[in-house]
Amino acid sequence: TQLLEQSPQFLSIQEGENLTVYCNSSSVFSSLQWYRQEPGEGPVLLVTVVTGGEVKKLKRLTFQFGDARKDSSLHITAAQPGDTGLYLCAGVTAGNMLTFGGGTRLMVKP
Amino acid sequence: SAVISQKPSRDICQRGTSLTIQCQVDSQVTMMFWYRQQPGQSLTLIATANQGSEATYESGFVIDKFPISRPNLTFSTLTVSNMSPEDSSIYLCSHKGGINTEAFFGQGTRLTVV
Repeated sequence: TQLLEQSPQFLSIQEGENLTVYCNSSSVFSSLQWYRQEPGEGPVLLVTVVTGGEVKKLKRLTFQFGDARKDSSLHITAAQPGDTGLYLCAGVTAGNMLTFGGGTRLMVKP
Repeated sequence: SAVISQKPSRDICQRGTSLTIQCQVDSQVTMMFWYRQQPGQSLTLIATANQGSEATYESGFVIDKFPISRPNLTFSTLTVSNMSPEDSSIYLCSHKGGINTEAFFGQGTRLTVV
């Protein structure tokens, strides 16, 4: 079983602060995806990182995939209240299954 | 992309009864997945449902408790049988295409068993 450990579980910060969420595994994944979920909705894809060492930017969000394709991070710069939500990392296995991390609940206070 | 319509969005059920959750996809898809999620927490895969074959269940989930139907390439149902309060959770259906492609989710069914 491939496991993904995600940290922190919960983060409460003020608007304008920066934060980083981590996902770590002892297993190699074909790719790693980050999803964001709001209450009453299903998760929505933010990004897919495929290549070891890859860095992708989506406005104030920066995603990294570790060189060995076992870990990833999500960095948010100058967080906004609209960034509030549940962030989920998910490793894509060779069998095209998703292994989800434990999730990070982010609250950004105005 | 795919749009998945899931219903009901929420329900309150008596223990011992069963609830069937439906998911309709706006295009033909091969793989569909059913997940369970406690509010604010991560997703746990219940089973994979491919059209034309029996659903494959993950450890801790059995067909008698969570029967799944996949009658065609656009539709699937999950039944939560003989419910107990421990079954209170959010249930989500999902579709995923090729190996590095996006997974699409229904909006979830919030089930409360009383």
